[in-house]
Amino acid sequence: DMKVTQMPRYLIKRMGENVLLECGQDMSHETMYWYRQDPGLGLQLIYISYDVDSNSEGDIPKGYRVSRKKREHFSLILDSAKTNQTSVYFCASRLGGDAEQFFGPGTRLTVL
Amino acid sequence: GDSVTQTEGLVTLTEGLPVMLNCTYQTAYSTFLFWYVQHLNEAPKLLLKSSTDNKRTEHQGFHATLHKSSSSFHLQKSSAQLSDSALYYCALSGNNYAQGLTFGLGTRVSVFP
Repeated sequence: DMKVTQMPRYLIKRMGENVLLECGQDMSHETMYWYRQDPGLGLQLIYISYDVDSNSEGDIPKGYRVSRKKREHFSLILDSAKTNQTSVYFCASRLGGDAEQFFGPGTRLTVL
Repeated sequence: GDSVTQTEGLVTLTEGLPVMLNCTYQTAYSTFLFWYVQHLNEAPKLLLKSSTDNKRTEHQGFHATLHKSSSSFHLQKSSAQLSDSALYYCALSGNNYAQGLTFGLGTRVSVFP
């Protein structure tokens, strides 16, 4: 059963704290993505990872960084979180040669 | 760059009535168009996809036809059900599949008894 997992599902942090969001997939997909979802703004692309240690900025990378040391894991890191980073974060993965992306269940992050 | 426009932010309708969600796009390349559906507190899931001009694509009672001449990929269903209440995204994949999808802002559909 193909699956993208995200941990944690819910997270509350204070402004200035560091945040680590984890994503895993069991499909050996090369490409993985981080998006954020905000009401009225749709899904916005933060970062792309083409494979281990091969990452590229998306449309809104400012304030975020990523890490991919194993093909099945992709992390999103917020160094010194800001209140405007309160959002729902989705991870997705894609099989090479296909355009479809598979999404994880999301992490709802609140930065106070 | 690529863009996707969904003109309706919210659609409310009565169960059993037809529904159509509009999607138009702009891209310089031949591409895939998608409809994703997201139920409350769940992940977006693929509903339909197409890259073939003028071919009707169907799944779970929904259908859409990609019209490259008008850059449209409207989603339709003949009879809405309560379980169709969800957020629907139209999305575009450009020429390079490795790049992220470009999403519209989404249309929330609420179906009432």
